[in-house]
Amino acid sequence: SQQGEEDPQALSIQEGENATMNCSYKTSINNLQWYRQNSGRGLVHLILIRSNEREKHSGRLRVTLDTSKKSSSLLITASRAADTASYFCATDAPESSGDKLTFGTGTRLAVRP
Amino acid sequence: IAGITQAPTSQILAAGRRMTLRCTQDMRHNAMYWYRQDLGLGLRLIHYSNTAGTTGKGEVPDGYSVSRANTDDFPLTLASAVPSQTSVYFCASSEGNAGELFFGEGSRLTVL
Repeated sequence: SQQGEEDPQALSIQEGENATMNCSYKTSINNLQWYRQNSGRGLVHLILIRSNEREKHSGRLRVTLDTSKKSSSLLITASRAADTASYFCATDAPESSGDKLTFGTGTRLAVRP
Repeated sequence: IAGITQAPTSQILAAGRRMTLRCTQDMRHNAMYWYRQDLGLGLRLIHYSNTAGTTGKGEVPDGYSVSRANTDDFPLTLASAVPSQTSVYFCASSEGNAGELFFGEGSRLTVL
């Protein structure tokens, strides 16, 4: 069963705009991670946020975590055409998956030049 | 820089045949994983190994087996392939449990 669910499923924006993707999960977690997948390629780790953290930055990426709402958001600022990819959240859920990462279904982001 | 190497990249297989997907890492990571990715279902964990000599079942283990004879290699075997095993298979590794995962480029398997 899916632990994480991303929203929206698909997002199309103009280059230079910000892109926001959301992730909701069901059970308590130790940490939440975001990954990126270019078409036909493997996933690449973007950022990890721990359950005791509320916000984390990495370059143009900003991740927030609200454990009371069991949700996270990934913000990509000043988007570029090269940001076109699918983005996945992944959680470790000790109660349901024995600390193994469980992935959501992803958000497909298209950035128009 | 190799990281995770998967083979084959792509394979078409007749139902009932045996198939082994290979995965090798050169990062000396303890933990390794096999996921399958299907449209609309995201990635689902098939099997994992926390360290050489140990393996465990993930969310969708039926029809698959793994072995971890050494740190670097983690092959996934389909003993008798069925069409529902048509998918893209990703191998991954991490230093520890639930840490950052490093993924291979995937093996696209079609079972006819």
